[in-house]
Amino acid sequence: EPEVTQTPSHQVTQMGQEVILRCVPISNHLYFYWYRQILGQKVEFLVSFYNNEISEKSEIFDDQFSVERPDGSNFTLKIRSTKLEDSAMYFCASSDPPGQGLNTGELFFGEGSRLTVL
Amino acid sequence: AQSVAQPEDQVNVAEGNPLTVKCTYSVSGNPYLFWYVQYPNRGLQFLLKYITGDNLVKGSYGFEAEFNKSQTSFHLKKPSALVSDSALYFCAVRPNSGGYQKVTFGIGTKLQVIP
Repeated sequence: EPEVTQTPSHQVTQMGQEVILRCVPISNHLYFYWYRQILGQKVEFLVSFYNNEISEKSEIFDDQFSVERPDGSNFTLKIRSTKLEDSAMYFCASSDPPGQGLNTGELFFGEGSRLTVL
Repeated sequence: AQSVAQPEDQVNVAEGNPLTVKCTYSVSGNPYLFWYVQYPNRGLQFLLKYITGDNLVKGSYGFEAEFNKSQTSFHLKKPSALVSDSALYFCAVRPNSGGYQKVTFGIGTKLQVIP
């Protein structure tokens, strides 16, 4: 069964350092997303990406964050200068284009990348 | 703006008893509704979805959910709980319309099944 894969599973970094989290979405999906979850609590939307541009971003997704699809398979989240409060589990997700037939655009999630900022 | 409410932080149920995890939503127009489950240190797994038609939707692991348009609810149910059902459950909604629409998640409900 196709799945979303994320690397690394856990990254520890010093405050102020740059971090890149990587994701390989399901191959025929066209929408890509990043969510984060702090301490097993609510799942917060960060950004959605389609056709090589951001579709929507939340207020969390400030200038310190960026996303990129550098090739045909990877989707990355970069945090330029990490802060303590960036410590969280970051989930990548992908979906089919919603609204086509019975496709409801449900998200398929990876296992997450745990980021610890010291 | 769309939103999802999960009014219970935690639900405790004895093994073998029926369980219900509550969800209400707010969205413009008709909704697509989803339930996801998260086991410790894992990603979110899709359980089931409501598109249209039959208000009772069946999903993975014996779970089902009942859509109630008048009450704007989509409660998750299972007739007989298992200890292995203990996990975090998230309800989610997106508008039933074409093109991109964000999926909004509730804050999650922790289900604890007691042996």
